[in-house]
Amino acid sequence: DQQVKQNSPSLSVQEGRISILNCDYTNSMFDYFLWYKKYPAEGPTFLISISSIKDKNEDGRFTVFLNKSAKHLSLHIVPSQPGDSAVYFCAAKTDSWGKLQFGAGTQVVVTP
Amino acid sequence: NAGVMQNPRHLVRRRGQEARLRCSPMKGHSHVYWYRQLPEEGLKFMVYLQKENIIDESGMPKERFSAEFPKEGPSILRIQQVVRGDSAAYFCASSPIPLRQGAIQLFFGSGTQLSVL
Repeated sequence: DQQVKQNSPSLSVQEGRISILNCDYTNSMFDYFLWYKKYPAEGPTFLISISSIKDKNEDGRFTVFLNKSAKHLSLHIVPSQPGDSAVYFCAAKTDSWGKLQFGAGTQVVVTP
Repeated sequence: NAGVMQNPRHLVRRRGQEARLRCSPMKGHSHVYWYRQLPEEGLKFMVYLQKENIIDESGMPKERFSAEFPKEGPSILRIQQVVRGDSAAYFCASSPIPLRQGAIQLFFGSGTQLSVL
């Protein structure tokens, strides 16, 4: 049962432009959402998170938006840089789970 | 402060052999999680362990797979009689306290790439 979904397997964006990554979920009990970034042959690294009681969290070039009524969150990267080329995973947890559930990931390619 | 250490980075096994994957959590972390990433797929939860205890193994295949996290030493993910479908990247993550008790993120190792010939 896939409760966290990333329906866009890939995204290509020009350097300097905005990257928008989307994530949908089905479990209304999720209390925290996270974005992880993964380079090839490396483990995922934490990028940014948002509590279910917030609708926006910003950290430098990265902003995550949460729309609870639509069960949707998005990650905005502005401006996109070549080093942002990676796979981005959306993840979520509930306060009763001992684990994170991940989406399938979105491959971002930033072109010059 | 060293991060989560996994070894080996690459492991090649023939069908029917055993694979042992090791994970040393970050210093001060006593909660370990194993995830598997199959080709072209996302990260799938396998098992969550605390020192000497398996807390949640709901993602572990029922046969051939086992995990432990002894009082001393690294956590071990063991796959017996490997098959080609076990070929994947196996990631270990750790946290200082349980996610259900307030930890927000997991810290991941670089993974072990298992290839079954």
